[in-house]
Amino acid sequence: EAAVTQSPRNKVAVTGGKVTLSCNQTNNHNNMYWYRQDTGHGLRLIHYSYGAGSTEKGDIPDGYKASRPSQENFSLILELATPSQTSVYFCASGDRGQYFGPGTRLTVL
Amino acid sequence: GDSVTQTEGLVTLTEGLPVMLNCTYQSTYSPFLFWYVQHLNEAPKLLLKSFTDNKRPEHQGFHATLHKSSSSFHLQKSSAQLSDSALYYCASSGGSNAKLTFGKGTKLSVKS
Repeated sequence: EAAVTQSPRNKVAVTGGKVTLSCNQTNNHNNMYWYRQDTGHGLRLIHYSYGAGSTEKGDIPDGYKASRPSQENFSLILELATPSQTSVYFCASGDRGQYFGPGTRLTVL
Repeated sequence: GDSVTQTEGLVTLTEGLPVMLNCTYQSTYSPFLFWYVQHLNEAPKLLLKSFTDNKRPEHQGFHATLHKSSSSFHLQKSSAQLSDSALYYCASSGGSNAKLTFGKGTKLSVKS
């Protein structure tokens, strides 16, 4: 099974601060994804990437940026964090079927 | 665009009874269909996937048959176990794009 890791696993940030969530995959998948999961909303796609250097907007991209500097790494950046971005964030990789990382619990105070 | 509709909300079952979680989809393409399972405080995990009409993949006692004629991919298990209590997502992926379209999720609670 694909190995996807995320860091940090837990993060507390202040409103207006910058937050970077990191994701690494070791299975050479071209596609990588960032989701957030909130009660009542299921999994919602924020950004995704088809390969190094590419990023695409998902369904809820506002307030988030993404960066894919290499095949293995995909970051999600919150330039100005807000309390509404408190959530659990999952990274996934996969080219037909996706494999999820363990998640990052972000709290913005 | 693509959409996935699944049994919404909470499904409560007694241990030993059969499980059936419904999933139907709409897609411009002939999509891949997936079931994911997410236990409490864990990540979603791929449970089953299918692309072929009328084939029945199985995993951990669960199976689902893709019926393109009815655009359905229902998840079934003959006998529920306490450990099956989890959140289940149906998802589709169509065309050359590997993006997944998820249903809203079904919470399965199995009681003794």
